[in-house]
Amino acid sequence: DQQVKQNSPSLSVQEGRISILNCDYTNSMFDYFLWYKKYPAEGPTFLISISSIKDKNEDGRFTVFLNKSAKHLSLHIVPSQPGDSAVYFCAASGERDDKIIFGKGTRLHILP
Amino acid sequence: NAGVMQNPRHLVRRRGQEARLRCSPMKGHSHVYWYRQLPEEGLKFMVYLQKENIIDESGMPKERFSAEFPKEGPSILRIQQVVRGDSAAYFCASFRLAGAPGTQYFGPGTRLTVL
Repeated sequence: DQQVKQNSPSLSVQEGRISILNCDYTNSMFDYFLWYKKYPAEGPTFLISISSIKDKNEDGRFTVFLNKSAKHLSLHIVPSQPGDSAVYFCAASGERDDKIIFGKGTRLHILP
Repeated sequence: NAGVMQNPRHLVRRRGQEARLRCSPMKGHSHVYWYRQLPEEGLKFMVYLQKENIIDESGMPKERFSAEFPKEGPSILRIQQVVRGDSAAYFCASFRLAGAPGTQYFGPGTRLTVL
């Protein structure tokens, strides 16, 4: 039973344009939603999070939107840069120190 | 990722051998999580440890897998009698309690290959 779903295995976006990565979840008890970025042969790196009581959180080029009624969140990257090419994992957790439930990831390719 | 160390980075074992994966958390962190990533999959939670204490092992397979985090030294994930299906990347993350969400810092992972 996959509680966090990323339905797009890969996404290609032109440099300078907006990248939109989508994520759906099934468990309405999640308190926090997170996005991690992962390069090959490295561990995931935390990117941005959002509390379930908010609908938007912005950090520089990265914005996460949460639609609780649809159990959907998205990560917007604008403008997209070559260094953004990586695998992006959507994740969710309950308490602050609770285990993180990861989606399968979306591989983002930024095209020159 | 800075500060969380895992070794070895790559480990090759034959079926039936034992695999020991080590994780040294960030300085000041006394909580460690282990995750496993199978090919084409996301990371899956295995176990949550505090020093000398297992907090949550609900993601650990019932047999052959064990984990510890002693008072001194790294956390160890031990897989006995490895099988081909154990081939995966194993990541540990460390955490300082009362941190904000997203303050689990991941190590670079150990890629286990079972021949």
